[in-house]
Amino acid sequence: IAGITQAPTSQILAAGRRMTLRCTQDMRHNAMYWYRQDLGLGLRLIHYSNTAGTTGKGEVPDGYSVSRANTDDFPLTLASAVPSQTSVYFCASSDSPSGGQQFFGPGTRLTVL
Amino acid sequence: LAKTTQPISMDSYEGQEVNITCSHNNIATNDYITWYQQFPSQGPRFIIQGYKTKVTNEVASLFIPADRKSSTLSLPRVSLSDTAVYYCLVGLSGYALNFGKGTSLLVTP
Repeated sequence: IAGITQAPTSQILAAGRRMTLRCTQDMRHNAMYWYRQDLGLGLRLIHYSNTAGTTGKGEVPDGYSVSRANTDDFPLTLASAVPSQTSVYFCASSDSPSGGQQFFGPGTRLTVL
Repeated sequence: LAKTTQPISMDSYEGQEVNITCSHNNIATNDYITWYQQFPSQGPRFIIQGYKTKVTNEVASLFIPADRKSSTLSLPRVSLSDTAVYYCLVGLSGYALNFGKGTSLLVTP
């Protein structure tokens, strides 16, 4: 059982390029989340999805889009990457939007030059 | 959205009990209080969750007073491996949860 996986592990990207970070979970959790973590700023929620087919904006959604076509996958897309999107990105899932614990993936380290 | 306030950093010696307090004055009736632990280069890991009074598991205890405006994570007899960042979260998962900056705990011999 893998739990929650993210790909790629790390990526260096030229500014202006499009990039999709992948996240897959095999726990059949309803809710999924994307966070970014920057030094000194903690974890900030980018987008979330309470169930397949629905998504919502978090604290810092600008420049990012998500989709939730099925239960298992929750890709995060940067349509035109900018250097300020250099960060570590964590995907998480929980079995319930109401008080359930979140399980985190290993993270993707993204550098935009 | 309930805002949380916790100390930026704490230091402790091995074997001591560590208590990290989180303030959440505008907690809503349906909100849970959840604590996570994060080691460098890893995603956060769930430690404990509670709604009121006291919750204990094999890792920690969580104390929540009657007014629920604060909570205290208690780590008994910490070891060097407990050095990590600890986050206090208040709310319902999936509704713009705010991890904040957490408390950086350093345990030394």
